[in-house]
Amino acid sequence: SYVLTQPPSVSVAPGQTARITCGGNNIGSKSVHWYHQKPGQAPVLVVYDDSDRPSGIPERFSGSNSGNTATLTISRVEAGDEADYYCQVWDSSTEHVVFGGGTKLTVL
Amino acid sequence: VQLVESEGGLVKPGGSLRLSCIVSGFTFSDYHMTWIRQAPGKGLDWVSYISSSGSPIYYADFVAGRFTVSRDNVKNSLYLQMSSLRVEDTAVYYCARRRLARGGFYFDSWGQGSLVTVSS
Repeated sequence: SYVLTQPPSVSVAPGQTARITCGGNNIGSKSVHWYHQKPGQAPVLVVYDDSDRPSGIPERFSGSNSGNTATLTISRVEAGDEADYYCQVWDSSTEHVVFGGGTKLTVL
Repeated sequence: VQLVESEGGLVKPGGSLRLSCIVSGFTFSDYHMTWIRQAPGKGLDWVSYISSSGSPIYYADFVAGRFTVSRDNVKNSLYLQMSSLRVEDTAVYYCARRRLARGGFYFDSWGQGSLVTVSS
């Protein structure tokens, strides 16, 4: 089955740029989607189709995807960005949805 | 857009429970829907999805014939019937609306979650 690998944690100071990676075999050939989840809340879509943003998501959130790594980039990080972030793809070979293990973003 | 899930509950191992998800704010019959779960302190696990018409339906391997997803497009409702529950099925269960992506799909609206605890 297809596996997505995320770092368990990323730390960044306010105002800096956070980059959260999502690794997978030839992930560049798939569409990658990103969610953030704050404690006790449901996940929220922040990027879809590698780099598109739903309405209401700040331009500070952007994504890229190439080769074996997809990346969610959060510019000018704010305290309110602190959350768990998950990447997600669809594995066409199994018709299954796959999530990465999640990355906890800490704002120092 | 709103997705409101039923309360979960405490179930003994081997028991059964049905979750429901009532939606509003969009035409339910136009959308494929999904169940996703999250064990305490763990990540997200896809459980199942059902097409807008009710077929086809796909399940994660760990379901192993124990769960059944269904929908009632007249009542704007999605259901997850869980049986032969195991301790490891303890999780918050989310319903979510599925949207088509360039390749595959994503989930743009989620319910608040239902906590299911399986314990003796």
